[in-house]
Amino acid sequence: KQEVTQIPAALSVPEGENLVLNCSFTDSAIYNLQWFRQDPGKGLTSLLLIQSSQREQTSGRLNASLDKSSGRSTLYIAASQPGDSATYLCAVKANGAGKSTFGDGTTLTVKP
Amino acid sequence: GAVVSQHPSWVICKSGTSVKIECRSLDFQATTMFWYRQFPKQSLMLMATSNEGSKATYEQGVEKDKFLINHASLTLSTLTVTSAHPEDSSFYICSVPGQGRAGVIYNEQFFGPGTRLTVL
Repeated sequence: KQEVTQIPAALSVPEGENLVLNCSFTDSAIYNLQWFRQDPGKGLTSLLLIQSSQREQTSGRLNASLDKSSGRSTLYIAASQPGDSATYLCAVKANGAGKSTFGDGTTLTVKP
Repeated sequence: GAVVSQHPSWVICKSGTSVKIECRSLDFQATTMFWYRQFPKQSLMLMATSNEGSKATYEQGVEKDKFLINHASLTLSTLTVTSAHPEDSSFYICSVPGQGRAGVIYNEQFFGPGTRLTVL
């Protein structure tokens, strides 16, 4: 059974800092890994998707890496802003049409 | 990418009543949809996989007689919480995975905006 762990559970940083969020998974046989953002009381916003054959994806100030063999992914946020404050979830999918297994999330607070 | 809607966005009901939540894939045919539940300050937990034209597949520990799922068409799945109790209060989110009969394969998981259920 796939298990996904995210560290740290919470993170508070001053505005402008670069930061890294970690995601680890126990079964390396994944189809893809997706990073989401969730604001309080809201649904999920997809940030980045990494296919199993890829090592990283970039979108603006966000960069996600994937090391499938070690079961790890990182989400790098450059020059953090207060608007980045949210809970960040990673999810791994076993196959193209299959269900996703979520980590517990990292709650990020960026202080002005 | 696929657009997924949910209705209602929030609902408050009395204990013992049943509540139906709709999940629609607006521009994508989905043979499969997933229903997740999220309690406050916790992550998403998969409840069941909704299959068009056949019975839903429930995760361990989820009561299929309490959470009725109907996937009547390629664009609509419904979750009915029967005889709701306060402990059923949660955020329910549906998602559409990356494959469908349309022949177009997306790689992402597309989520609805969620439904906040509060049972008094």
